[in-house]
Amino acid sequence: KNQVEQSPQSLIILEGKNCTLQCNYTVSPFSNLRWYKQDTGRGPVSLTIMTFSENTKSNGRYTATLDADTKQSSLHITASQLSDSASYICVVSPRTSGTYKYIFGTGTRLKVLA
Amino acid sequence: DAGVIQSPRHEVTEMGQEVTLRCKPISGHNSLFWYRQTMMRGLELLIYFNNNVPIDDSGMPEDRFSAKMPNASFSTLKIQPSEPRDSAVYFCASTRQPQETQYFGPGTRLLVL
Repeated sequence: KNQVEQSPQSLIILEGKNCTLQCNYTVSPFSNLRWYKQDTGRGPVSLTIMTFSENTKSNGRYTATLDADTKQSSLHITASQLSDSASYICVVSPRTSGTYKYIFGTGTRLKVLA
Repeated sequence: DAGVIQSPRHEVTEMGQEVTLRCKPISGHNSLFWYRQTMMRGLELLIYFNNNVPIDDSGMPEDRFSAKMPNASFSTLKIQPSEPRDSAVYFCASTRQPQETQYFGPGTRLLVL
């Protein structure tokens, strides 16, 4: 069964610190992997997208990496800010022509403290 | 562009009542998705429309759930009758093509008492 597992479930860090969120997936083959940020009370917003052939993608202080061999992805947040407090969701899209069935992880809840 | 618009943002109702959630996708987007999000299960796809046609409704939990898309700019998700276990946040998302990045609405937080 295609699955996307994220760790940790929740994380608390101090403002200014770095952190890394993990995503392990069993979806294979896959077309692309996305990381979404979901603020409390809002819908998810795309942060990064990587195809199966890419191994890193940055968006400001957010850097996503992908290791297709080990089926792992990580999202690294540099110099965290209070506004980074949110849930981060890893989403994998199976490589099937016209597929619409994204596989969502259950997310990591990040809390950044002043 | 205003993004995906959903209404209402919050809905509190009693068990057995009918609930209708509404969505206006981004103009020009041909694919529309309804999701349900809970703490335990995360985001679950309920139904997917392409060019206003329902393509996959296998995620709809029961016959109590129904969805329509009468035109390219409007969709509804209806629950009749509602039950407490339907309490969740319901998101609508749209995209130009199925495999492209989805744009989510702000969600409707539903509480069924």
